[in-house]
Amino acid sequence: EDQVTQSPEALRLQEGESSSLNCSYTVSGLRGLFWYRQDPGKGPEFLFTLYSAGEEKEKERLKATLTKKESFLHITAPKPEDSATYLCAVRGGATNKLIFGTGTLLAVQP
Amino acid sequence: GAVVSQHPSWVICKSGTSVKIECRSLDFQATTMFWYRQFPKQSLMLMATSNEGSKATYEQGVEKDKFLINHASLTLSTLTVTSAHPEDSSFYICSAPRQGATYEQYFGPGTRLTVT
Repeated sequence: EDQVTQSPEALRLQEGESSSLNCSYTVSGLRGLFWYRQDPGKGPEFLFTLYSAGEEKEKERLKATLTKKESFLHITAPKPEDSATYLCAVRGGATNKLIFGTGTLLAVQP
Repeated sequence: GAVVSQHPSWVICKSGTSVKIECRSLDFQATTMFWYRQFPKQSLMLMATSNEGSKATYEQGVEKDKFLINHASLTLSTLTVTSAHPEDSSFYICSAPRQGATYEQYFGPGTRLTVT
Protein backbone atom coordinates (compact mmCIF):
# COMPACT_ATOMS: atom_id res chain seq x y z
CA GLU A 1 0.00 0.00 0.00
CA ASP A 2 1.31 3.45 -0.92
CA GLN A 3 2.21 5.46 2.15
CA VAL A 4 3.75 8.82 3.04
CA THR A 5 5.12 9.72 6.48
CA GLN A 6 6.31 13.18 7.39
CA SER A 7 8.45 14.18 10.34
CA PRO A 8 8.55 16.01 12.58
CA GLU A 9 4.87 16.82 13.09
CA ALA A 10 5.81 20.28 14.28
CA LEU A 11 9.00 22.28 14.25
CA ARG A 12 9.79 25.56 15.92
CA LEU A 13 12.83 27.48 14.67
CA GLN A 14 14.42 30.79 15.42
CA GLU A 15 14.76 33.15 12.48
CA GLY A 16 17.94 32.22 10.62
CA GLU A 17 18.13 28.71 12.10
CA SER A 18 18.35 26.29 9.18
CA SER A 19 16.72 22.86 9.35
CA SER A 20 15.21 20.05 7.29
CA LEU A 21 11.82 18.40 7.02
CA ASN A 22 11.57 14.72 6.16
CA CYS A 23 9.16 12.83 3.94
CA SER A 24 9.48 9.04 3.83
CA TYR A 25 7.48 7.14 1.26
CA THR A 26 6.63 3.71 -0.03
CA VAL A 27 5.02 3.59 -3.43
CA SER A 28 4.90 1.21 -6.34
CA GLY A 29 6.44 2.98 -9.28
CA LEU A 30 7.05 6.57 -8.19
CA ARG A 31 5.77 9.01 -10.76
CA GLY A 32 6.48 12.16 -8.81
CA LEU A 33 6.97 13.46 -5.28
CA PHE A 34 5.37 16.80 -4.53
CA TRP A 35 5.97 19.44 -1.89
CA TYR A 36 3.31 21.98 -1.01
CA ARG A 37 3.03 24.84 1.42
CA GLN A 38 -0.32 25.45 3.11
CA ASP A 39 -1.23 28.55 5.09
CA PRO A 40 -4.18 28.42 7.53
CA GLY A 41 -7.53 28.59 5.78
CA LYS A 42 -6.01 28.35 2.29
CA GLY A 43 -5.41 25.70 -0.31
CA PRO A 44 -1.97 24.13 -0.73
CA GLU A 45 0.51 26.12 -2.79
CA PHE A 46 2.66 24.10 -5.17
CA LEU A 47 6.39 24.24 -4.44
CA PHE A 48 8.26 21.40 -6.16
CA THR A 49 7.94 18.16 -8.07
CA LEU A 50 10.78 15.62 -7.98
CA TYR A 51 10.89 12.57 -10.19
CA SER A 52 14.08 10.60 -9.68
CA ALA A 53 16.61 9.85 -6.96
CA GLY A 54 19.36 12.43 -6.84
CA GLU A 55 17.18 15.21 -8.19
CA GLU A 56 17.24 18.56 -6.40
CA LYS A 57 15.18 21.73 -6.83
CA GLU A 58 15.51 25.12 -5.20
CA LYS A 59 13.28 28.11 -4.67
CA GLU A 60 14.46 31.02 -2.56
CA ARG A 61 15.29 29.59 0.90
CA LEU A 62 13.89 26.14 0.10
CA LYS A 63 15.64 23.17 -1.44
CA ALA A 64 14.05 19.78 -2.02
CA THR A 65 16.02 16.58 -2.51
CA LEU A 66 14.96 13.03 -3.34
CA THR A 67 16.32 9.56 -2.66
CA LYS A 68 14.72 6.19 -3.36
CA LYS A 69 13.05 6.17 0.04
CA GLU A 70 12.66 9.74 1.20
CA SER A 71 12.71 13.42 0.40
CA PHE A 72 14.01 16.32 2.39
CA LEU A 73 12.89 19.92 2.32
CA HIS A 74 15.81 22.01 3.50
CA ILE A 75 15.06 25.49 4.79
CA THR A 76 18.05 27.81 4.89
CA ALA A 77 18.00 30.87 7.16
CA PRO A 78 14.21 30.83 7.53
CA LYS A 79 12.15 33.94 8.09
CA PRO A 80 8.87 34.29 10.01
CA GLU A 81 6.98 34.37 6.69
CA ASP A 82 8.13 30.80 6.05
CA SER A 83 5.82 29.70 8.87
CA ALA A 84 3.22 27.31 7.40
CA THR A 85 2.34 23.65 7.12
CA TYR A 86 4.48 21.83 4.57
CA LEU A 87 2.84 18.88 2.87
CA CYS A 88 4.49 16.06 0.96
CA ALA A 89 2.63 13.86 -1.52
CA VAL A 90 3.47 11.07 -3.95
CA ARG A 91 1.96 9.91 -7.22
CA GLY A 92 2.54 6.31 -8.12
CA GLY A 93 1.36 3.36 -10.10
CA ALA A 94 -1.17 3.91 -12.82
CA THR A 95 -3.19 6.53 -10.99
CA ASN A 96 -3.12 10.32 -11.03
CA LYS A 97 -4.09 10.46 -7.37
CA LEU A 98 -1.78 12.04 -4.85
CA ILE A 99 -1.17 10.34 -1.51
CA PHE A 100 -0.50 12.97 1.15
CA GLY A 101 1.44 12.88 4.36
CA THR A 102 0.05 14.56 7.46
CA GLY A 103 2.34 17.55 7.11
CA THR A 104 4.90 19.41 9.21
CA LEU A 105 3.77 22.57 10.95
CA LEU A 106 6.69 24.99 10.85
CA ALA A 107 6.82 28.03 13.11
CA VAL A 108 9.68 30.49 12.66
CA GLN A 109 10.06 32.95 15.48
CA PRO A 110 11.70 36.37 15.00
CA GLY B 1 -0.99 33.83 -10.10
CA ALA B 2 -3.74 31.38 -9.23
CA VAL B 3 -4.34 28.68 -11.78
CA VAL B 4 -7.31 27.03 -10.04
CA SER B 5 -10.20 28.97 -8.56
CA GLN B 6 -13.05 27.97 -6.28
CA HIS B 7 -16.37 29.59 -5.54
CA PRO B 8 -17.61 30.40 -3.02
CA SER B 9 -14.70 30.83 -0.62
CA TRP B 10 -17.03 30.29 2.30
CA VAL B 11 -20.68 29.39 2.75
CA ILE B 12 -23.06 28.93 5.66
CA CYS B 13 -26.18 26.86 5.13
CA LYS B 14 -28.94 25.34 7.18
CA SER B 15 -29.15 21.65 7.89
CA GLY B 16 -31.04 19.80 5.17
CA THR B 17 -30.24 22.20 2.35
CA SER B 18 -27.84 21.64 -0.56
CA VAL B 19 -24.73 23.59 -1.42
CA LYS B 20 -22.82 23.73 -4.72
CA ILE B 21 -19.10 24.46 -4.91
CA GLU B 22 -17.41 25.30 -8.22
CA CYS B 23 -13.84 24.54 -9.21
CA ARG B 24 -12.30 26.09 -12.33
CA SER B 25 -8.96 25.69 -14.03
CA LEU B 26 -8.07 29.16 -15.22
CA ASP B 27 -5.53 28.84 -18.02
CA PHE B 28 -5.48 25.17 -18.89
CA GLN B 29 -7.86 22.35 -19.59
CA ALA B 30 -8.30 19.63 -17.01
CA THR B 31 -9.96 16.38 -17.99
CA THR B 32 -9.52 15.28 -14.41
CA MET B 33 -10.06 17.21 -11.20
CA PHE B 34 -9.87 16.04 -7.60
CA TRP B 35 -11.99 16.93 -4.58
CA TYR B 36 -10.56 16.84 -1.08
CA ARG B 37 -11.88 17.46 2.40
CA GLN B 38 -9.73 18.74 5.21
CA PHE B 39 -10.66 18.81 8.89
CA PRO B 40 -8.88 21.16 11.31
CA LYS B 41 -5.22 20.31 11.82
CA GLN B 42 -5.48 17.27 9.56
CA SER B 43 -4.13 16.54 6.12
CA LEU B 44 -6.11 16.39 2.90
CA MET B 45 -8.44 13.44 2.39
CA LEU B 46 -9.28 12.62 -1.19
CA MET B 47 -13.04 12.31 -1.68
CA ALA B 48 -13.40 11.71 -5.38
CA THR B 49 -11.90 12.04 -8.82
CA SER B 50 -13.93 14.09 -11.28
CA ASN B 51 -13.68 13.02 -14.92
CA GLU B 52 -14.88 15.17 -17.80
CA GLY B 53 -17.52 13.35 -19.78
CA SER B 54 -17.88 10.42 -17.43
CA LYS B 55 -18.89 9.52 -13.90
CA ALA B 56 -16.82 10.53 -10.93
CA THR B 57 -14.82 7.95 -9.03
CA TYR B 58 -15.40 8.03 -5.28
CA GLU B 59 -13.02 6.94 -2.56
CA GLN B 60 -14.07 4.24 -0.15
CA GLY B 61 -16.46 5.54 2.48
CA VAL B 62 -17.58 8.60 0.52
CA GLU B 63 -21.31 8.61 -0.26
CA LYS B 64 -21.76 9.35 -3.95
CA ASP B 65 -25.44 10.24 -3.48
CA LYS B 66 -24.54 12.83 -0.89
CA PHE B 67 -21.58 14.39 -2.67
CA LEU B 68 -22.64 14.89 -6.27
CA ILE B 69 -19.89 15.68 -8.72
CA ASN B 70 -20.38 17.03 -12.21
CA HIS B 71 -17.47 17.72 -14.56
CA ALA B 72 -19.39 19.98 -16.92
CA SER B 73 -16.51 21.10 -19.14
CA LEU B 74 -12.76 20.87 -19.48
CA THR B 75 -12.37 23.79 -17.06
CA LEU B 76 -15.22 23.32 -14.59
CA SER B 77 -16.10 20.74 -11.96
CA THR B 78 -18.80 21.15 -9.33
CA LEU B 79 -19.34 19.45 -5.99
CA THR B 80 -22.85 19.54 -4.53
CA VAL B 81 -23.30 18.60 -0.90
CA THR B 82 -26.89 17.39 -0.70
CA SER B 83 -29.00 17.46 2.45
CA ALA B 84 -26.13 18.90 4.39
CA HIS B 85 -25.70 18.16 8.08
CA PRO B 86 -23.43 19.76 10.69
CA GLU B 87 -20.95 16.89 10.37
CA ASP B 88 -20.43 17.92 6.72
CA SER B 89 -18.92 21.19 7.91
CA SER B 90 -15.36 21.19 6.64
CA PHE B 91 -12.85 22.77 4.29
CA TYR B 92 -13.36 21.50 0.75
CA ILE B 93 -10.50 21.86 -1.73
CA CYS B 94 -10.29 20.96 -5.39
CA SER B 95 -7.23 20.38 -7.51
CA ALA B 96 -6.44 20.03 -11.17
CA PRO B 97 -3.35 18.50 -12.78
CA ARG B 98 -1.65 20.29 -15.63
CA GLN B 99 0.29 17.90 -17.79
CA GLY B 100 3.07 18.99 -20.03
CA ALA B 101 6.79 18.42 -19.75
CA THR B 102 6.13 17.72 -16.09
CA TYR B 103 3.09 16.74 -14.09
CA GLU B 104 1.99 19.51 -11.76
CA GLN B 105 -1.15 19.47 -9.66
CA TYR B 106 -2.54 22.79 -8.54
CA PHE B 107 -5.02 23.39 -5.76
CA GLY B 108 -7.82 25.86 -5.43
CA PRO B 109 -8.04 28.21 -2.44
CA GLY B 110 -10.65 26.05 -0.74
CA THR B 111 -14.25 26.52 0.38
CA ARG B 112 -15.17 26.67 4.04
CA LEU B 113 -18.60 25.07 4.55
CA THR B 114 -20.46 25.57 7.80
CA VAL B 115 -23.77 23.77 8.29
CA THR B 116 -25.93 25.09 11.11
